[in-house]
Amino acid sequence: GAVVSQHPSWVICKSGTSVKIECRSLDFQATTMFWYRQFPKQSLMLMATSNEGSKATYEQGVEKDKFLINHASLTLSTLTVTSAHPEDSSFYICSALRVPGANVLTFGAGSRLTVL
Amino acid sequence: GQSLEQPSEVTAVEGAIVQINCTYQTSGFYGLSWYQQHDGGAPTFLSYNALDGLEETGRFSSFLSRSDSYGYLLLQELQMKDSASYFCAVGLQGGKLIFGQGTELSVKP
Repeated sequence: GAVVSQHPSWVICKSGTSVKIECRSLDFQATTMFWYRQFPKQSLMLMATSNEGSKATYEQGVEKDKFLINHASLTLSTLTVTSAHPEDSSFYICSALRVPGANVLTFGAGSRLTVL
Repeated sequence: GQSLEQPSEVTAVEGAIVQINCTYQTSGFYGLSWYQQHDGGAPTFLSYNALDGLEETGRFSSFLSRSDSYGYLLLQELQMKDSASYFCAVGLQGGKLIFGQGTELSVKP
């Protein structure tokens, strides 16, 4: 149980285009999802908290107009990287709160974005 | 703010025991988690401590001392497949996790 599906697993796009990444909880409802970004050989950096039916909460330094997050249902959150540039190339990973009340997250497989 | 410290890399041989320490400073604390990540993969949950003491799950154990802001992950009977990065993560309100920089474990034959 507690499976999170993330799509696409990898994407290559041209500079200036927008890319949408989907994160789905397959066998449970996730009122809260989290989006992380990871550069090679580095830690997972929390970008934002996605709450179903309300606006996302962004971490300091993360541009909310650049990284649009929508959590329209209890099983789906999306991250859109708008006007992507090469410096946005990274591994984006979503996660869902697996056990309410406990800080245990289930992660998606991640999406590797390469911006040319 | 939050900060976590863990060693950047550890090397051990097959069959050995290795301990990865994690110290943290945080405002608000709900627990300490450990995740494993292989190259190119997603983090997978290993263990979670909300209270002081030792949690054992098979070959992996995790310890927490809230008064010392310290925890560790203990891996026993190391196998080659255990070579990966290991992250400690502080749990904050609302389920949020803040990760340490990760420890790269290399298991040698």
